Amino acid sequence: AQSVTQLDSHVSVSEGTPVLLRCNYSSSYSPSLFWYVQHPNKGLQLLLKYTSAATLVKGINGFEAEFKKSETSFHLTKPSAHMSDAAEYFCVVSDFNTGGFKTIFGAGTRLFVKA
Amino acid sequence: DTGVSQNPRHKITKRGQNVTFRCDPISEHNRLYWYRQTLGQGPEFLTYFQNEAQLEKSRLLSDRFSAERPKGSFSTLEIQRTEQGDSAMYLCASRLRGGRANTGELFFGEGSRLTVL
Repeated sequence: AQSVTQLDSHVSVSEGTPVLLRCNYSSSYSPSLFWYVQHPNKGLQLLLKYTSAATLVKGINGFEAEFKKSETSFHLTKPSAHMSDAAEYFCVVSDFNTGGFKTIFGAGTRLFVKA
Repeated sequence: DTGVSQNPRHKITKRGQNVTFRCDPISEHNRLYWYRQTLGQGPEFLTYFQNEAQLEKSRLLSDRFSAERPKGSFSTLEIQRTEQGDSAMYLCASRLRGGRANTGELFFGEGSRLTVL
């Protein structure tokens, strides 16, 4: 069975410092993994995705994530936070099996960026 | 490509009234999903369509909720006899049918926020 655990419900960083948002998953198959960002009262925007190619994935706005199969992790990082990064971030796992894709969302991590 | 479009973006209604939301997916996407998101939570799956067929419904989708996709293009989500607990953001997403070449990425609309007074 699939599951996604975002280890922190809130993360607070200062502008210009690194960001780390943690995500662990479980999957019975070879999953696709995604990070989405949601700004207040907006829909979800794809930041990046892992689809069994390179394990280090680069996304938009300077974000990266590394797929570590041995640790079943897909943590999201950014070297230097910007005020505009303050938002809710969702880790998502999607499995393709005989029934088609099954997609599970994590509970989300709210990122606060202090000036 | 205009992306996934939802309307209305905001709806305020009194308890007991019916409301309907519309979703226009990306034109070549044959799968369409509805999610509900309450404050501080991640999106929760409600239902999905492959073309015009509704293939799965969550237990969250009570009898007061009905979704349709009559021609396999746009979809509507109707809530009858609204309750205050229905207040949430209703998100629509679309994607191509699953296959090895498909990554499973969902494309989301901006959502329709419902407030039930």
